[in-house]
Amino acid sequence: DSGVTQTPKHLITATGQRVTLRCSPRSGDLSVYWYQQSLDQGLQFLIQYYNGEERAKGNILERFSAQQFPDLHSELNLSSLELGDSALYFCASSRKVGNLYEQYFGPGTRLTVT
Amino acid sequence: DAKTTQPPSMDCAEGRAANLPCNHSTISGNEYVYWYRQIHSQGPQYIIHGLKNNETNEMASLIITEDRKSSTLILPHATLRDTAVYYCIVRVGPLWQGGSEKLVFGKGTKLTVNP
Repeated sequence: DSGVTQTPKHLITATGQRVTLRCSPRSGDLSVYWYQQSLDQGLQFLIQYYNGEERAKGNILERFSAQQFPDLHSELNLSSLELGDSALYFCASSRKVGNLYEQYFGPGTRLTVT
Repeated sequence: DAKTTQPPSMDCAEGRAANLPCNHSTISGNEYVYWYRQIHSQGPQYIIHGLKNNETNEMASLIITEDRKSSTLILPHATLRDTAVYYCIVRVGPLWQGGSEKLVFGKGTKLTVNP
């Protein structure tokens, strides 16, 4: 168990809709990362937050946005959903292993857009 | 970050050692080798990392060649639960928590452990 929690576990919605995915990092972890895993693109980094501030951005669509709140939980908002947004969405937080920080992933949210 | 090359799939008998190779011929001096695995559709799981020395933990051993152009992840006694996709990732490891630490995943190696 990584200590990272994600809700909901499954989400089914229609095209054009908006959804919010939630992530709670392990207690004390300040960084949160979001990844998308689709069948054709594999695992792709979307965005990173550190202590409430955006730290790095990957191939995140303009229809997607994220934020990290003062209690360090994070939300990923997906709007104007398309069929191609169907994927697993993972959240990770980082903790120190030796002299480096490593990422530990949550169980993911499976989004199905119909 | 340097690119890695892994075989798409491998098989291993239960109880035997599984040796998963990774080529990273363009690795830079300050880049680390990381291994993660993903069991079915679960979140990727950190296994081990190393810079130039061989490393061992409770999950696996990591052998890095002297020229650092390739490495091997060793699962000493593979079990059915080790069936997963294994990802070799090369990147600069930040020494502070606030650094940009995105992981770039390739296609990995699908390891199947057979009874």
